[in-house]
Amino acid sequence: EPEVTQTPSHQVTQMGQEVILRCVPISNHLYFYWYRQILGQKVEFLVSFYNNEISEKSEIFDDQFSVERPDGSNFTLKIRSTKLEDSAMYFCASRTYNEQFFGPGTRLTVL
Amino acid sequence: GEDVEQSLFLSVREGDSSVINCTYTDSSSTYLYWYKQEPGAGLQLLTYIFSNMDMKQDQRLTVLLNKKDKHLSLRIADTQTGDSAIYFCAESKDSNYQLIWGAGTKLIIKP
Repeated sequence: EPEVTQTPSHQVTQMGQEVILRCVPISNHLYFYWYRQILGQKVEFLVSFYNNEISEKSEIFDDQFSVERPDGSNFTLKIRSTKLEDSAMYFCASRTYNEQFFGPGTRLTVL
Repeated sequence: GEDVEQSLFLSVREGDSSVINCTYTDSSSTYLYWYKQEPGAGLQLLTYIFSNMDMKQDQRLTVLLNKKDKHLSLRIADTQTGDSAIYFCAESKDSNYQLIWGAGTKLIIKP
């Protein structure tokens, strides 16, 4: 069964460093999303992407964040200069019709 | 703004039915979802219901929607130890299908 994959499963970085989180969505899906879950808090929407551009973004998704679909398979989230408060589980999702399927997440720890 | 609320814990005996409840505030929600998260795993789509329906059944799962009270429930019949997980309620309301999440209900199964 097709699934969304994410790498790495765990990323540890120093404050101020850039990180890139990678996702491979399900191959025939056209809509892609990033969400995050800070420990003990609700899952929060970050950004959605369709037709090679951002379709919507939340207040969290500021200039430090960017997304890209560099080729036909990968979908990446870049955080330019990480802060302690960026520590969270980051989930990628892809959608067909009304069903969103999620990857296993990347746990980002900023020290 | 939009909000989705769930109880944090539910404890049931193995073999009994579990009923996990969720309330939401946005009456323009189009789809309402239930996701399951097992320890260390991602967010697994269990089932969803369109807002013009009041019930959906899928094997051991029954979703009930009371649109007037903005109340959604997930009933799991014959609860098994493998059902131990956190269950998230989520809503989407516009063409972008971004999800707004509850905090999750941890289902604890007693032998």
